[in-house]
Amino acid sequence: VQLVESGGGLVQPGRSLRLSCAASGFTFDDYAMHWVRQAPGRGLEWVSGIRWNSGGIAYADSVRGRFTVSRDNAKNSLFLQMNSLRPEDTALYYCAKGRLLATLVTAIDYWGQGTLVTVSS
Amino acid sequence: QSVLTQPPSVSGAPGQTVTISCTGSSSNIGAGYDVHWYQQLPGTVPKLLIYGNSDRPSGVPDRFSGSKSVTSASLAISGLQAEDEADYYCQSFDSSGFVVFGGGTKLTVL
Repeated sequence: VQLVESGGGLVQPGRSLRLSCAASGFTFDDYAMHWVRQAPGRGLEWVSGIRWNSGGIAYADSVRGRFTVSRDNAKNSLFLQMNSLRPEDTALYYCAKGRLLATLVTAIDYWGQGTLVTVSS
Repeated sequence: QSVLTQPPSVSGAPGQTVTISCTGSSSNIGAGYDVHWYQQLPGTVPKLLIYGNSDRPSGVPDRFSGSKSVTSASLAISGLQAEDEADYYCQSFDSSGFVVFGGGTKLTVL
């Protein structure tokens, strides 16, 4: 299993950024996928999750209405569209795979290396 | 603050047993959702340590064990080793429809 994130960078408050995650080594469209972030020196914070068929999507309260998760099963890819970014969104963003088939209600068994998002003027 | 509560830090001497608690509520752990544990060594990505309250993925030593009780869970590490020094996180699911993590516990091996 390999998860490779991209799209991070330095962005001004209020602007947008789109993260991508390229997945390989497993049947991507069988599993729910998640975005989890970690601010510098802080703990893990779940951001969003999406079921295998995009039929179930969930967001943390801190990003709901600003972030949109999506997936392209044909391209084994996961995305996170981040709008109206705030300084408190600064973090390392991990793409992560659910352990059990289909459901969001499961452990995370694989993590990417993360992509760093810095929101600052 | 985090939905799941963990002690910020614990410590123990080599060979000892330490326990890390994870306290939730009736809307997450108490609602019957499983608890999972992760280990994050310094400068690395999190690693799944315990899933389904007490099961270990292949390759995780049996020195690590998990348990769950009503609205809380615990991770026990026996035969403490220097390489166990890391941050540990619990995770579950909340009835409101989202994944929840604990705030993390830093384990120091004395």
